[in-house]
Amino acid sequence: GAGVSQSPRYKVAKRGQDVALRCDPISGHVSLFWYQQALGQGPEFLTYFQNEAQLDKSGLPSDRFFAERPEGSVSTLKIQRTQQEDSAVYLCASSAFNEQFFGPGTRLTVL
Amino acid sequence: TQLLEQSPQFLSIQEGENLTVYCNSSSVFSSLQWYRQEPGEGPVLLVTVVTGGEVKKLKRLTFQFGDARKDSSLHITAAQPGDTGLYLCAVYNQGGKLIFGQGTELSVKP
Repeated sequence: GAGVSQSPRYKVAKRGQDVALRCDPISGHVSLFWYQQALGQGPEFLTYFQNEAQLDKSGLPSDRFFAERPEGSVSTLKIQRTQQEDSAVYLCASSAFNEQFFGPGTRLTVL
Repeated sequence: TQLLEQSPQFLSIQEGENLTVYCNSSSVFSSLQWYRQEPGEGPVLLVTVVTGGEVKKLKRLTFQFGDARKDSSLHITAAQPGDTGLYLCAVYNQGGKLIFGQGTELSVKP
């Protein structure tokens, strides 16, 4: 498909487990963003890549959150030692110029 | 404190009714965007407004940017069940990241 894809779509983790969320951006898009969306809220910025460089990680809530984009394409958001407050939808967006195109998100539930 | 305050937070109406949702701030913006997000999907851009006082129409949706570029409204005429979803306003912050309001959850019942 031509859009942004994310996997898995749903993830259930026990508290304390590590999780890895994957984002496949639109081919050729230089910029990639991760957002966190709590239930009933708007998305909140987590981190931003331009190609493989992570230019802004100011939104990451703690040092348990880590993101990478080693080859400037696919990106992975990793959460270590998950906590219940990490339960949310994690959205990835990519852009070439001004408009950001969002993936469907990964719904993470931490029990 | 939210940069963008949306109201109402929830709205449940019958098919055929009109509605308006609001996005307010005390800050001035060079542009503002509206998105619609359906369950299980990411937000999809509906419109970008740039000029103070600007009005844009998208079929039954009318978007207005305030004269002072601090607020915006979205009006839907003759709402249909397909309009159901979360409506989000957003602005760009430094570095190209989007700052969203908390959204208006719209439910249109047939």
